[in-house]
Amino acid sequence: ETGVTQSPTHLIKTRGQQVTLRCSSQSGHNTVSWYQQALGQGPQFIFQYYREEENGRGNFPPRFSGLQFPNYSSELNVNALELDDSALYLCASSGRRGQGYNSPLHFGNGTRLTVT
Amino acid sequence: GENVEQHPSTLSVQEGDSAVIKCTYSDSASNYFPWYKQELGKGPQLIIDIRSNVGEKKDQRIAVTLNKTAKHFSLHITETQPEDSAVYFCAATYSGGGADGLTFGKGTHLIIQP
Repeated sequence: ETGVTQSPTHLIKTRGQQVTLRCSSQSGHNTVSWYQQALGQGPQFIFQYYREEENGRGNFPPRFSGLQFPNYSSELNVNALELDDSALYLCASSGRRGQGYNSPLHFGNGTRLTVT
Repeated sequence: GENVEQHPSTLSVQEGDSAVIKCTYSDSASNYFPWYKQELGKGPQLIIDIRSNVGEKKDQRIAVTLNKTAKHFSLHITETQPEDSAVYFCAATYSGGGADGLTFGKGTHLIIQP
């Protein structure tokens, strides 16, 4: 069973630039979620994708956007980077059951983004 | 929205002793409560979870208890070992088959003293 993989592992960008982070889901999972984890804090929910559509969003501005592809992999795009966007970005996958409950979230090791 | 409070922020215990981490949540609609362990340089790893239709769940040295009335849940680790040292996060959400973004606590840094 292949786990959740993210790329790149580290990234340095300048304020105002745009960034794309990538994620491959765990095999058998059809739902992808993205979280932002600031240093010393718990992860914060950005959004969730199911069937290639955004399906649930946390308190993040529209410059945070995403995509999910037919193979369930996903991208997180952040435009107009700000210094406060410096964080660990975590991708997690799960299996949506449609009724009842979803399978637990499994996280990748994240992408460390530094904005200077 | 949901708010999760976690205590303590740091917990130091002697190897072999027990550790308890406590969380409270605000949204009575939440029905799914996972616990994650995060080691340095890695993503969170699910260690145990509980749904609101049960009050306690155990897996070897780890147990979780849930009090729906008081809206709090706790993680219990017995016979702690050096490899238990890590940051632990509690989380809560309503999980009904649709979107279910987790709300996390701020984490507890567990230190196992040899």
